Amino acid sequence: DQQVKQNSPSLSVQEGRISILNCDYTNSMFDYFLWYKKYPAEGPTFLISISSIKDKNEDGRFTVFLNKSAKHLSLHIVPSQPGDSAVYFCAARSSGGSNYKLTFGKGTLLTVNP
Amino acid sequence: GAGVSQSPSNKVTEKGKDVELRCDPISGHTALYWYRQRLGQGLEFLIYFQGNSAPDKSGLPSDRFSAERTGESVSTLTIQRTQQEDSAVYLCASSFRTSGRNEQFFGPGTRLTVL
Repeated sequence: DQQVKQNSPSLSVQEGRISILNCDYTNSMFDYFLWYKKYPAEGPTFLISISSIKDKNEDGRFTVFLNKSAKHLSLHIVPSQPGDSAVYFCAARSSGGSNYKLTFGKGTLLTVNP
Repeated sequence: GAGVSQSPSNKVTEKGKDVELRCDPISGHTALYWYRQRLGQGLEFLIYFQGNSAPDKSGLPSDRFSAERTGESVSTLTIQRTQQEDSAVYLCASSFRTSGRNEQFFGPGTRLTVL
């Protein structure tokens, strides 16, 4: 049972345009959400996060939006750059005793074309 | 400073053999995690260590898997009698603690191939 779903395995955009990566979750106990970026042969690196008490968090070109009622979040990258080409993982953490556990989606491969 | 390091980077083994994977966390990080990523899948939690507390082993898929950590330093993940379904990238991560933002820093992973 996948609790965090990234339904688009891949996304291709032109340099300078907006990239929108989507993530859906099913567990209503999740209260903190993270996006990780992964280049080939490297470990994932933390990109941006959002708490469930917020609906938006912005950091430079990256913005994460959270819609709790729809159990949906999205990562917006604008403007997209070729160096953004990577696999993006959505992850979620629940409140409570096991709040260290991150549940990951399968990832979306973003390709930004020059 | 140095990030999380893992060794070996690649390991090819024959079915039935034992393998040992190593993780060196970032100095000062009290929490250490092991994850597995099978082909086309997301990261799957395996085990968590926090200081000298009992580890959370709830993610280990079978009793062939075990892990140890000495204090707040190196950790080893051991897979006994490897099977082909154990083929995956094994990722280690560490963090300062588990409360708050809980940013986990990942190593580059060990790619395990079981023939």
